Amino acid sequence: AQSVTQLGSHVSVSEGALVLLRCNYSSSVPPYLFWYVQYPNQGLQLLLKYTSAATLVKGINGFEAEFKKSETSFHLTKPSAHMSDAAEYFCAVSGGSARQLTFGSGTQLTVLP
Amino acid sequence: DVKVTQSSRYLVKRTGEKVFLECVQDMDHENMFWYRQDPGLGLRLIYFSYDVKMKEKGDIPEGYSVSREKKERFSLILESASTNQTSMYLCASSSTLSLAGGRYEQFFGPGTRLTVL
Repeated sequence: AQSVTQLGSHVSVSEGALVLLRCNYSSSVPPYLFWYVQYPNQGLQLLLKYTSAATLVKGINGFEAEFKKSETSFHLTKPSAHMSDAAEYFCAVSGGSARQLTFGSGTQLTVLP
Repeated sequence: DVKVTQSSRYLVKRTGEKVFLECVQDMDHENMFWYRQDPGLGLRLIYFSYDVKMKEKGDIPEGYSVSREKKERFSLILESASTNQTSMYLCASSSTLSLAGGRYEQFFGPGTRLTVL
């Protein structure tokens, strides 16, 4: 069974500041990990994914995430926040034969001018 | 590009009505999913399907049913809509194959915001 914990349901940063959104997972098999972004009244869009090829994963819009097996973490970062980054972000895990994704509860990112 | 479309972006129905939400994907994906999303509760899985005419209950199937007669189409049915089914409904699809990595990466439609009065 898999589970995902996103620490902080709301995160606020100033424009130009570092964005750090935390995700910890639990999985009994080697996981596949995903970050999705959701803008208001839209569906989820894939930001990036970890598929065991490289521990540091680069995604769209300048985001990246690092897979740390020892910490069971997959935190999302961006060096400099833009106003357009304001959205809700979801971490998700799948693994083994499970075709489903297990989603975290989401983190709402606010970017302050 | 994978495209998942949903029949309506916004829908308003009355209590007791039968409601159909349609989802179509164009990438020949085997797996399709219906979620509902409510503030503070994240995404909750209602039903999913791994093949035509196959369905399995998710975490919150009560009050819903589904139909998958063709591979590309997955319908969510509210037999008798109630006000507590007012929500955002999201459809997603995925492939079992891991050709490009990210096995079971899900692709989402734009969502249907359903209001039941």
